[in-house]
Order: sequence, then structure tokens, then C-alpha cells
Amino acid sequence: SQKIEQNSEALNIQEGKTATLTCNYTNYSPAYLQWYRQDPGRGPVFLLLIRENEKEKRKERLKVTFDTTLKQSLFHITASQPADSATYLCAPSGAGSYQLTFGKGTKLSVIP
Amino acid sequence: DTEVTQTPKHLVMGMTNKKSLKCEQHMGHRAMYWYKQKAKKPPELMFVYSYEKLSINESVPSRFSPECPNSSLLNLHLHALQPEDSALYLCASSPPRGVLEQYFGPGTRLTVT
Repeated sequence: SQKIEQNSEALNIQEGKTATLTCNYTNYSPAYLQWYRQDPGRGPVFLLLIRENEKEKRKERLKVTFDTTLKQSLFHITASQPADSATYLCAPSGAGSYQLTFGKGTKLSVIP
Repeated sequence: DTEVTQTPKHLVMGMTNKKSLKCEQHMGHRAMYWYKQKAKKPPELMFVYSYEKLSINESVPSRFSPECPNSSLLNLHLHALQPEDSALYLCASSPPRGVLEQYFGPGTRLTVT
């Protein structure tokens, strides 16, 4: 069966450093991989989507990579700020599929 | 208008009550979703509506009954719920061009007593 692993439940990082979050998947060949941010008690917010034929995608201080050979996506936040503290969810998805299955998330804390 | 709204924000109901959760979007999205999220867990898909037709039901118990009256509205009717159904219920929508990003509402915090 499909498995999605975000291999850190929690990640603490000093303000100004780069945070790197990992998403691994098995028994699956997604066409897309999406990253969301969720604050406590709120709905997830879409951040970035990367397609299987893209190696890297950037948006402001965010960067996502997608390695279909390693079955892994990395999510980077550069120059991290305390306001970046949240839970980050990855979600691989298939082409033409409405189903979005989330990883368990990584709770990022940026320490001033 | 670039948001998904949900009402109510909080709901407390007894096991014999009937209540409804409402979701609305005016972004022209033609796919709408209900998710359930328990504490410290990721959202889990319950239902998907595509062009106002139910396209996915993830084996959800019949005490949850979805309804899509039009392309902007999505309801979730609740009846005879159990305490373990207490959770954050999230509505989402996505653009009509296919499965790409989903836009979530703030959720309804449901407590079943």
C-alpha cells in the first residue's frame, strides 16, 4: 500500500537558518507533489506544487525539489523567521486524481 | 473572492441530534471536498464532489451525508454521531482544470457529547 513519510515529527531551527523538511513515499508514482502549511486549529494553506518532470520549484524564500528516483521531495525555507513556525504537510497526488493523501506533517519551530 | 468559508466555527451536538455543516466558495472551483482531522493527525479525505456530483466516498459511515446543492455550496449533514466523530471538519475546493492545489476553509470544530 502507499506510504508517505515525513521523517521528522518536529524540527527546531534558529532564526535566519535554512529549514529542510523531507517527504519520502513508497509504492507510489505520483505525478505531482504538493506542500501545505497548517497552523493550529486552521485549515491547511497551499504553498507549492511540483510536477514529476520538474526538479525544482521556487517561490520567494521557499524551494521544493522532487527526485522520482529517490522517491523523495525536499522542502526548504531560507532565512527562516519565527512566523514560519507551523506544521508542514506533503501530499503526493496522481494525474487526474482528486484524492490527496497527506503525510503526517513536520512541526517546524523557528527560535528567535 | 479567494476564500473558502465554513459555518459554524464550533458545534457541540448530542448523539441524537441532527445538524449540518456548511461550506461556500466563489472562486469558480468545480471540485469540493470534505476532510476530517483528528488532533495531531493529517486531514483525511471523506468525500469529493466534482461538478456537483459525488465522485468519491472514502467508505464514510452513513451518519455523515454530503450534499452539493450548487457549484458554490457544500453541506455535510450529521445524524446520530458518536463521540469518536469529534474532530475538525475541513472543506476544500480546487480549480476546474484538474487536481492541482486545494484551497481549504478554516474548519468546523465538532464536539459530540
